[in-house]
Amino acid sequence: DAKTTQPNSMESNEEEPVHLPCNHSTISGTDYIHWYRQLPSQGPEYVIHGLTSNVNNRMASLAIAEDRKSSTLILHRATLRDAAVYYCILRDATGNQFYFGTGTSLTVIP
Amino acid sequence: EAQVTQNPRYLITVTGKKLTVTCSQNMNHEYMSWYRQDPGLGLRQIYYSMNVEVTDKGDVPEGYKVSRKEKRNFPLILESPSPNQTSLYFCASSLSLAGPYNEQFFGPGTRLTVL
Repeated sequence: DAKTTQPNSMESNEEEPVHLPCNHSTISGTDYIHWYRQLPSQGPEYVIHGLTSNVNNRMASLAIAEDRKSSTLILHRATLRDAAVYYCILRDATGNQFYFGTGTSLTVIP
Repeated sequence: EAQVTQNPRYLITVTGKKLTVTCSQNMNHEYMSWYRQDPGLGLRQIYYSMNVEVTDKGDVPEGYKVSRKEKRNFPLILESPSPNQTSLYFCASSLSLAGPYNEQFFGPGTRLTVL
């Protein structure tokens, strides 16, 4: 299964946009790109997912490179509540497993 | 309230003493899964179930068993726990894995310590 690479940690100032990168150079045509986040002392929660086109929802935006070898999760205005570990995950549309990896720990500075 | 519940939330046990961690969801979800989370290793999938009576191994199934006799329940069984199974365990469920319905909902976690 294709794997993802994310920076271990990032910092952002409160109220500013945050761009969380993810590299997935071995992605296949049927892999969906998922993002989850895990707030301190909680289980992960779904953020967004996409296949080829950019996606927007109430939590975030997902920008997918044209060659699909990388993607970026965009939080438009970081708040203190957004401090969490963000996981970029690939899931084959025909597969039943999820590979979370170790994610990016986001610190939001007041 | 739609939710995934796990019990117990915390458990300290000794090597070899069989235990079961329960997981239940009230959303009529087909897909359920167990993960363990360890420092530096992230979340790793243990077992998953596509529907009642359908289960399969994930990335790290050794030492664990599961069953899916009812749609809402997916217990994780450790027949003979060992210290290397000390971990934080999460149960998750999803309506299905198809199309837009594959958002996973996670339980609050069970912290297990095996002495």
